[in-house]
Amino acid sequence: DAGVIQSPRHEVTEMGQEVTLRCKPISGHNSLFWYRQTMMRGLELLIYFNNNVPIDDSGMPEDRFSAKMPNASFSTLKIQPSEPRDSAVYFCASWDGVVNEQFFGPGTRLTVL
Amino acid sequence: SQQGEEDPQALSIQEGENATMNCSYKTSINNLQWYRQNSGRGLVHLILIRSNEREKHSGRLRVTLDTSKKSSSLLITASRAADTASYFCATFTGNQFYFGTGTSLTVIP
Repeated sequence: DAGVIQSPRHEVTEMGQEVTLRCKPISGHNSLFWYRQTMMRGLELLIYFNNNVPIDDSGMPEDRFSAKMPNASFSTLKIQPSEPRDSAVYFCASWDGVVNEQFFGPGTRLTVL
Repeated sequence: SQQGEEDPQALSIQEGENATMNCSYKTSINNLQWYRQNSGRGLVHLILIRSNEREKHSGRLRVTLDTSKKSSSLLITASRAADTASYFCATFTGNQFYFGTGTSLTVIP
C-alpha cells in the first residue's frame, strides 16, 4: 500500500482565494482525520470521519473551513476564503479502527500570502 | 482538553547519551502511544502501551506508564544523530486520539 496520500504537497495562494486539500486514506481504513500543525499551536485535530460520516468537527476553526468525505477513498478540506493565519501544514491520517495506530500522510504545506 | 503535554519542549544531547521525554495527560485512557515526526514529514507510530501495562520495550525504546499519575515517559537509549526529530505522545480514549504538544529532540554527532 502506498500509505496515506495527500495533494498537493505545497500550496501557495493569495489571501481570499479558495484552497482545496485532498487526501486518500489507506484502503480498508474506516476513519480519517484532518490535522493542522503550526509552531504556535502545535498539532490540532480539525475533523474526524468514521465510515465517511463526520463524527467530530469541533476543531474546525470557523465557517471558512469545510471538509467532505464523499466515499471511503477520498476526502477534501476546503478553505474559502483563505487568510494568512491559515498558513500551516495540514495532515491527513487514517485508522483501521482495530489497531490503535494512526497512519499519517506527508502533509500539505499551505502558505497564504 | 484531554491533550497531553510533553516535557521538556526541547532537548539537546550528545550522540550516545540517553534521551528521556515525559508526557502527562488528564483523563483515563485505553492506551498511550508515542509517535515520531521528522522535519517536514508526517508522524510515524513508534510504540503503544496499554493502560494495564507499566513498561514496554522496543529496540532502543523504553516506555513507562503510570496511570495513577497520568504520566508516561519515553526513553531512547544510546541515541544517534538520526534520532533527531519531534516526539509526540497520544492518548486513545473511546474512539478518539489526543496528541500532545511534542518534544523536539536534537542529537549532536
